[in-house]
Amino acid sequence: EAGVTQFPSHSVIEKGQTVTLRCDPISGHDNLYWYRRVMGKEIKFLLHFVKESKQDESGMPNNRFLAERTGGTYSTLKVQPAELEDSGVYFCASSRKTGGWEQYFGPGTRLTVT
Amino acid sequence: GESVGLHLPTLSVQEGDNSIINCAYSNSASDYFIWYKQESGKGPQFIIDIRSNMDKRQGQRVTVLLNKTVKHLSLQIAATQPGDSAVYFCAENSLGTYKYIFGTGTRLKVLA
Repeated sequence: EAGVTQFPSHSVIEKGQTVTLRCDPISGHDNLYWYRRVMGKEIKFLLHFVKESKQDESGMPNNRFLAERTGGTYSTLKVQPAELEDSGVYFCASSRKTGGWEQYFGPGTRLTVT
Repeated sequence: GESVGLHLPTLSVQEGDNSIINCAYSNSASDYFIWYKQESGKGPQFIIDIRSNMDKRQGQRVTVLLNKTVKHLSLQIAATQPGDSAVYFCAENSLGTYKYIFGTGTRLKVLA
């Protein structure tokens, strides 16, 4: 079974530019999550999809972040315009059921905003 | 991928010794707990989980202990090996919800 994949693995952009991160969950996993880890701090929840629907986006830092999951398959996370404090590692995870089930994490995308 | 953070608490152990990594969780309503291992350049990898109706669970070379009274979780690794060197995160979750709340992580260094 293929794991969660993320693209790109590393992105370096200038402040004010736009970046789109992609996540492909494990096939058959309806639940998809985005997390991020900034400045060596703890990994923090951003949002959760069930299929194509956003269940909770309370962790999204502001309206410069937009997540989509068209068709309930892969998901994208767009940051526009990027700011310096957006630098960090963005993880995607997927699971079969919500809560109490293992979330499988991708390798992450390291975003560096200069 | 990611390199580990610069300011994580670090536990150094001699190869072959046992390691104990501790975690204090925040939400008394949490009823599912997970330990993840993150190696450099990789995402968090599931190690072991435990539900709140248990206080101990064993896997292969790993044991998780849960003390709900003081909201404390620990991960014990027996006969620590060089391949165990990584950052370890605990995470908590409430059944029926979806957010994992992660701890800050502990870097484990195995000394040869």
